[in-house]
Amino acid sequence: LAKTTQPISMDSYEGQEVNITCSHNNIATNDYITWYQQFPSQGPRFIIQGYKTKVTNEVASLFIPADRKSSTLSLPRVSLSDTAVYYCLVGEVVLNFGNEKLTFGTGTRLTIIP
Amino acid sequence: DSGVTQTPKHLITATGQRVTLRCSPRSGDLSVYWYQQSLDQGLQFLIQYYNGEERAKGNILERFSAQQFPDLHSELNLSSLELGDSALYFCASSVGREGHDEQYFGPGTRLTVT
Repeated sequence: LAKTTQPISMDSYEGQEVNITCSHNNIATNDYITWYQQFPSQGPRFIIQGYKTKVTNEVASLFIPADRKSSTLSLPRVSLSDTAVYYCLVGEVVLNFGNEKLTFGTGTRLTIIP
Repeated sequence: DSGVTQTPKHLITATGQRVTLRCSPRSGDLSVYWYQQSLDQGLQFLIQYYNGEERAKGNILERFSAQQFPDLHSELNLSSLELGDSALYFCASSVGREGHDEQYFGPGTRLTVT
């Protein structure tokens, strides 16, 4: 399984750029990297997904180096409402059996300070 | 609102009992995923169904079972409940069958076993 490792927690001030890194040393060739955001007592919500290099959408950027053993979620100019837990998800596909194992990271609790 | 509905919202039951959690996916989504989230275990993938068939299995106990019906709603059955089964149970859905597809999470069912 592609085990993932993230920092347990991070603090940042409003208006700053926040970068959260996820390590996934055993990532497989067919795996995508997906990040989710979760507020207390709510289901996770999709933020961004990538396979390699850089992906950007209206809320975040995702940087993936050439070896794909890590990825960095970048949140520009955070606000108090970005306080949440951020999960890195790596999907592993076992092609022979079509059996996909999904591995969520432990999550990073991001706290934005006014 | 993700479009995924889960019932009930809260469930309190005693050890040894059996419960059924229900999930209705977003309209048009064929995949349903079940996750367990407890305080000390993070977000754990349990099982995935795609168009009525089991597609992937994660850390699902033998006391737990699930199914997806022809109308695509899904039920997660938990039996011989133990105190350690107390957790938030999330259902998610996606259009395709690949785990890396964007998943839309429901609000969750909070199960308390006493």
